[in-house]
Amino acid sequence: AQKVTQAQTEISVVEKEDVTLDCVYETRDTTYYLFWYKQPPSGELVFLIRRNSFDEQNEISGRYSWNFQKSTSSFNFTITASQVVDSAVYFCALSEANERHREKLTFGTGTRLTIIP
Amino acid sequence: SAVISQKPSRDICQRGTSLTIQCQVDSQVTMMFWYRQQPGQSLTLIATANQGSEATYESGFVIDKFPISRPNLTFSTLTVSNMSPEDSSIYLCSVRSLNNEQFFGPGTRLTVL
Repeated sequence: AQKVTQAQTEISVVEKEDVTLDCVYETRDTTYYLFWYKQPPSGELVFLIRRNSFDEQNEISGRYSWNFQKSTSSFNFTITASQVVDSAVYFCALSEANERHREKLTFGTGTRLTIIP
Repeated sequence: SAVISQKPSRDICQRGTSLTIQCQVDSQVTMMFWYRQQPGQSLTLIATANQGSEATYESGFVIDKFPISRPNLTFSTLTVSNMSPEDSSIYLCSVRSLNNEQFFGPGTRLTVL
């Protein structure tokens, strides 16, 4: 069965600091997808990234970067030079690609990030 | 990215009544799903909405309680039947796009008294 663990329940950092959100996953499949979503106080779920299990290259998008390490089953998310608008709950999710679980997203419990001005 | 709208955005309902939530997406998608997010919790998949056939439900969710329709590729409804306070949650429609990205609607915030 697939499982996603976000061990950090809450993190607070001062504005402009860098922060890393951890995500560890479990799956029996060799092919799967990993996702990160942001849920700001307004409640909507904002798609940030999808990563294929065959693509271990790290990705950078502006102040956001993702570190995918298959050896440790981790897909960590770093925000550099954090801003108050980054305050939100961040969810990591996993989707297996086998026939039965093909489209189901399994979510972690989320990390609430607070950026202190 | 797909733009998803949900109606209603929120509702307050009495115990024992039913509420139907609508989801409309503005582009072709491969899959449509319904998720639930209970207060302060993560998201849980209720079911996959299949076009023209019965939805596929996850363990713990049944058709009598959460009937789902998907008459065409871009529209689906979820009904929460015979509601109780435990059904108070945010209900989210989600779609898988043609390039395998997955987007969520703005959610329907349901409170059952």
